[in-house]
Amino acid sequence: GAGVSQSPSNKVTEKGKDVELRCDPISGHTALYWYRQRLGQGLEFLIYFQGNSAPDKSGLPSDRFSAERTGESVSTLTIQRTQQEDSAVYLCASSLASGTYNEQFFGPGTRLTVL
Amino acid sequence: GNSVTQMEGPVTLSEEAFLTINCTYTATGYPSLFWYVQYPGEGLQLLLKATKADDKGSNKGFEATYRKETTSFHLEKGSVQVSDSAVYFCALGNNNDMRFGAGTRLTVKP
Repeated sequence: GAGVSQSPSNKVTEKGKDVELRCDPISGHTALYWYRQRLGQGLEFLIYFQGNSAPDKSGLPSDRFSAERTGESVSTLTIQRTQQEDSAVYLCASSLASGTYNEQFFGPGTRLTVL
Repeated sequence: GNSVTQMEGPVTLSEEAFLTINCTYTATGYPSLFWYVQYPGEGLQLLLKATKADDKGSNKGFEATYRKETTSFHLEKGSVQVSDSAVYFCALGNNNDMRFGAGTRLTVKP
């Protein structure tokens, strides 16, 4: 069956531009997570969606970062006025429900390079 | 707060060697512990998990035991194969807060 998909797979942009990253979770998965992985570092939690509840935005590093999710489907992560330190791989994961016992299924990631 | 510290890599082993990748954690309450693996060119996938103290997670010959007394969840495999070459991530889940380690790159040579 289809897994989590993300687009684009690679994005190169100039400093100051806005970018939009897309995540298509597995159908039926109510929970969706965004992470950032800088080179040589672990995954940094950004934001979490669960059903129709208000998202947990506690991991967003600045107000330049925002994310939306339409119901229990597609999510977009938007970075405004990109900076060089935003360069990283952005990973999306979905799971059947919230809670730590539920396996997260990861997408292949979007590699963002800010010049 | 919640955090995970895992052994820095890279780790290079010969086929059939014994593998240990250390992972320790700091957490409040009763977290669940995970090992995720990322094979070359693929996304992260769950390797094994343990949800309470003294539980042992196992999969594909890998094992890890949830040790509350030492706050550890070390990954072990008795005989590695070339196909085990990947990046391994230790992770902690506490309610909806997931924390990942930096990852350890393993290369197994024939």
